[in-house]
Amino acid sequence: DTAVSQTPKYLVTQMGNDKSIKCEQNLGHDTMYWYKQDSKKFLKIMFSYNNKELIINETVPNRFSPKSPDKAHLNLHINSLELGDSAVYFCASSIRGATEQYFGPGTRLTVT
Amino acid sequence: ELKVEQNPLFLSMQEGKNYTIYCNYSTTSDRLYWYRQDPGKSLESLFVLLSNGAVKQEGRLMASLDTKARLSTLHITAAVHDLSATYFCAVDPYNTDKLIFGTGTRLQVFP
Repeated sequence: DTAVSQTPKYLVTQMGNDKSIKCEQNLGHDTMYWYKQDSKKFLKIMFSYNNKELIINETVPNRFSPKSPDKAHLNLHINSLELGDSAVYFCASSIRGATEQYFGPGTRLTVT
Repeated sequence: ELKVEQNPLFLSMQEGKNYTIYCNYSTTSDRLYWYRQDPGKSLESLFVLLSNGAVKQEGRLMASLDTKARLSTLHITAAVHDLSATYFCAVDPYNTDKLIFGTGTRLQVFP
């Protein structure tokens, strides 16, 4: 009965590869987000979707492409991975305009 | 550029003691959040503060918000080891669901 789930939990890959992270929420929320937490624990929003529509699109390399097939799912595809992409990526969800965001367990991406 | 600063960045405190973590932000925001993160874990929502003067308490933690001073505090009373974690504040200055996180305060409570 996990509220916000992400797969995989860990991802180790080489530079130049393409990888995807998946997120699903069963809370009935209409808005989903991707955050990046770097090695210094700094958290920064990357994207958000509301009912499959892109709402927030921060200054992120265009190698990162989010996709939302429906309001319960938000995936993150990363092309041509670089060392600097190594981080923990968190998915979150909420009801738009409401207050609290619920976070997934995170995906630790390591690029070698 | 909007900044959200926390201090201290690191706090080592003895069990039973009291302390306050401060969160300052550089633009007007009526919404402020506190989250807790244990090592290698996700973020857990602690408090949602939605108006000037809001005060919320849960166990040994109490959070307050002064929107005029652009300041929130997280007060720890009689700390216990289980409170050891990293605490983040976050603001949503434009009410757009875009959370801007603070730098985090890593709290260690020792016997």
